[in-house]
Amino acid sequence: AQSVSQHNHHVILSEAASLELGCNYSYGGTVNLFWYVQYPGQHLQLLLKYFSGDPLVKGIKGFEAEFIKSKFSFNLRKPSVQWSDTAEYFCAVILNPTGGGNKLTFGTGTQLKVEL
Amino acid sequence: SQTIHQWPATLVQPVGSPLSLECTVEGTSNPNLYWYRQAAGRGLQLLFYSVGIGQISSEVPQNLSASRPQDRQFILSSKKLLLSDSGFYLCAWSGRAGETQYFGPGTRLLVL
Repeated sequence: AQSVSQHNHHVILSEAASLELGCNYSYGGTVNLFWYVQYPGQHLQLLLKYFSGDPLVKGIKGFEAEFIKSKFSFNLRKPSVQWSDTAEYFCAVILNPTGGGNKLTFGTGTQLKVEL
Repeated sequence: SQTIHQWPATLVQPVGSPLSLECTVEGTSNPNLYWYRQAAGRGLQLLFYSVGIGQISSEVPQNLSASRPQDRQFILSSKKLLLSDSGFYLCAWSGRAGETQYFGPGTRLLVL
């Protein structure tokens, strides 16, 4: 079955450390890729997305992600994290987007804690 | 701008009781609407989606049902809640192309 894997369930970093969260999906066709973030007590928010074109996409708050088709990966990166980046991060994929009621398949999420 | 509302924010219900969770969207017309559930330690799972009034697609067999009585209203229901229905329920909307989904604040349901 098609799935989305986030291998890092809990990550603890110090401020200014670099971040990379892994996301892999298992599907050989066309995909739309997303990273969502949920800050404590807040809505799930869109961080960035990739549909086509440049495989390196930039999102809000200094985050970026790179789509590597050959590796079925869409890893999230930030060069220098801040305490305010403490949140849960979800990778999500639309498999074979049809332009209708597309189903988002989510990974299990990664809890990031940034320590001062 | 578009906004999405869900209520109630928190709900504690006994096993066997009925359920009705409401989601409304403002600032857009003819949205696609979605219900997701997030269980502790797991990702979000799509429960239902709707591309129009009265049109409901179910993704997983379960104890829940959904209805869309108006263009921008999406309701999640159950006739008799089970313990396993506890979780965090999120409503989302997207445009007709269905590409990017935007989420509401969620309802935390605890079934005792």
